[in-house]
Amino acid sequence: AQSVTQLDSHVSVSEGTPVLLRCNYSSSYSPSLFWYVQHPNKGLQLLLKYTSAATLVKGINGFEAEFKKSETSFHLTKPSAHMSDAAEYFCVVTGYTGRRALTFGSGTRLQVQP
Amino acid sequence: GAVVSQHPSRVICKSGTSVKIECRSLDFQATTMFWYRQFPKQSLMLMATSNEGSKATYEQGVEKDKFLINHASLTLSTLTVTSAHPEDSSFYICSAYRDQETQYFGPGTRLLVL
Repeated sequence: AQSVTQLDSHVSVSEGTPVLLRCNYSSSYSPSLFWYVQHPNKGLQLLLKYTSAATLVKGINGFEAEFKKSETSFHLTKPSAHMSDAAEYFCVVTGYTGRRALTFGSGTRLQVQP
Repeated sequence: GAVVSQHPSRVICKSGTSVKIECRSLDFQATTMFWYRQFPKQSLMLMATSNEGSKATYEQGVEKDKFLINHASLTLSTLTVTSAHPEDSSFYICSAYRDQETQYFGPGTRLLVL
């Protein structure tokens, strides 16, 4: 079985400052990991994904995440926050091949202050 | 990117009635689709896996006779909430599996049962 823990339910940053959203995972198999963003009244959008290739993954809108097996972490970062980044972020894991269903973390709400 | 649509986006119904929600992959074929449920300020919980041409696989605790899933074609899956009750009020989200472990999400359907 696999699970995901998002360590912060709420993160608040100032516009122009770095963003760090933390995620730890647990999986019995080599996992695929994702970050999704959900804006109010909009569907989930894929930010980036890790599928056993390069451990540093670059996504859309300047976000990136680093897969660290030794720490079982997949933290999401962005050098400079923008007001439009305010949203709910989900760290997601999928398990072994054939089990394509996603397991979602509890979510982190990112606030960006002007 | 791939597009997944849901219809309706919002529905209000009376207790005891049935509601059907459609999920369509608009520009790709999806042999596997997923149905999730999201309560306010909470994460997504997988309800069932919908496989084209076969029976859906339900997660533990999800009543298959209450949440009927049909995946009759490679671009359409439907979720029918039968004999809906107020506790079924929620945000229902579908996703379609495309390739490389990537799922594309619909915009969601908000169900309110009075």
